[in-house]
Formats: sequence, structure tokens, C-alpha cells
Amino acid sequence: AQSVTQLGSHVSVSEGALVLLRCNYSSSVPPYLFWYVQYPNQGLQLLLKYTTGATLVKGINGFEAEFKKSETSFHLTKPSAHMSDAAEYFCAVNTGNQFYFGTGTSLTVIP
Amino acid sequence: DAGVTQSPTHLIKTRGQHVTLRCSPISGHKSVSWYQQVLGQGPQFIFQYYEKEERGRGNFPDRFSARQFPNYSSELNVNALLLGDSALYLCASSLFPAVGSYEQYFGPGTRLTVT
Repeated sequence: AQSVTQLGSHVSVSEGALVLLRCNYSSSVPPYLFWYVQYPNQGLQLLLKYTTGATLVKGINGFEAEFKKSETSFHLTKPSAHMSDAAEYFCAVNTGNQFYFGTGTSLTVIP
Repeated sequence: DAGVTQSPTHLIKTRGQHVTLRCSPISGHKSVSWYQQVLGQGPQFIFQYYEKEERGRGNFPDRFSARQFPNYSSELNVNALLLGDSALYLCASSLFPAVGSYEQYFGPGTRLTVT
């Protein structure tokens, strides 16, 4: 069975500081991995995805994530947080005909 | 281009009632998936449809049903509503079934409150 674990349901960073949101997956086959962002009262927007090839994936809004098979991780980072980054972030895995989402990490950016 | 649209945006129902939620996918997309997102949790997969056929079903009771129409729009039906059905219901569309690397594009959701 596939599952996704997001460590830390709430993360707070200062504006301009590094953002690190953690995601670990369990999968019996090589996974396709995704990060989505959800702003209040909105649907999910794709930030980035890993399929095959380069393990460092760049996404929108300055976010990137690195696929580490040995650690079964796909952590999301951004060098410098902006106030507009405050939102809920979801890691997801797809190895079949459905997505499995983590429970989400709420990011707060402190001015 | 219009994104995924869902209707209604909000609705309030009473326990035991029935509800129908609607979704229109992005033009050209043939697959629609439905998710339930309870407050404070990640989306949970309910159904996936492709070319009007059910391609996947999550762990939800038979009170939940769905269908896809020839124009690829979709309806999610929930019978005998329970308080626990209160959630944001998200629809996602993709060109093909969301297998592997195919991206899903999400609508804004329908907020269902059951009282």
C-alpha cells in the first residue's frame, strides 16, 4: 500500500528565511510524487512533480524538491519565504490509478 | 481557458437528505476524479471516471455514487447524509486517468455542511 507522511502539521518561518516542508512516502514501486498548495477556500494548485530523471525538481513560485530514493523522501524547499507563501501544502504520491495525499502542512510566514 | 468548475460553491443540507455535486472538467480532459477533504486533513480519493466508465473507487460507502456524462462532466451523489459527510468536495480533471505522471487539475471545491 502507498502512503505519504508529512512531518509537522504546522511550520512557521520568518519572511526571507528558508522554507523546508518534509514528505516521506512508502511505495512498493517507483512513485510519481507531487506537491500541491492550497490557499484558503480554494482548490489545490500543482507546485511541482517528480516523474523520472533529474532528482531535483523545480516548480513554480521558487519552490523546488529533491527526490531521495534511499531516504524515501521528497522534501519541498524555498530559499526565501514570502508572505504570499502562507498556505497549506500537500505532498501526494501516485503509483496506480489514484492519488494518495498527506495530511498537509500549514505554513505561516512571520513578517 | 476555463479551469475546472464546480457547482454549487456552498450548500447546507440536513441529515438524511440527498445531495448532488457537479463538475465540469477542463476542455479536452476526459477523466474526472472526486475527493473528499475533511477540515484539517488531506483529500481522500472517492472516484475516478474516464470515458464515462468508473476506473477507480476509494474506501467510501455505497451512499456515494457518481457518473460521467458524454461531455465528460460529472456528478457526485451522496444519499442519506450524515454529519460526517461535511467536507470540501474537490473535483479534479486530467487528460487521461491519473496514472503515473499525469497531472490532475483541481476545481475550487464545493463546501458541504450537514446539520
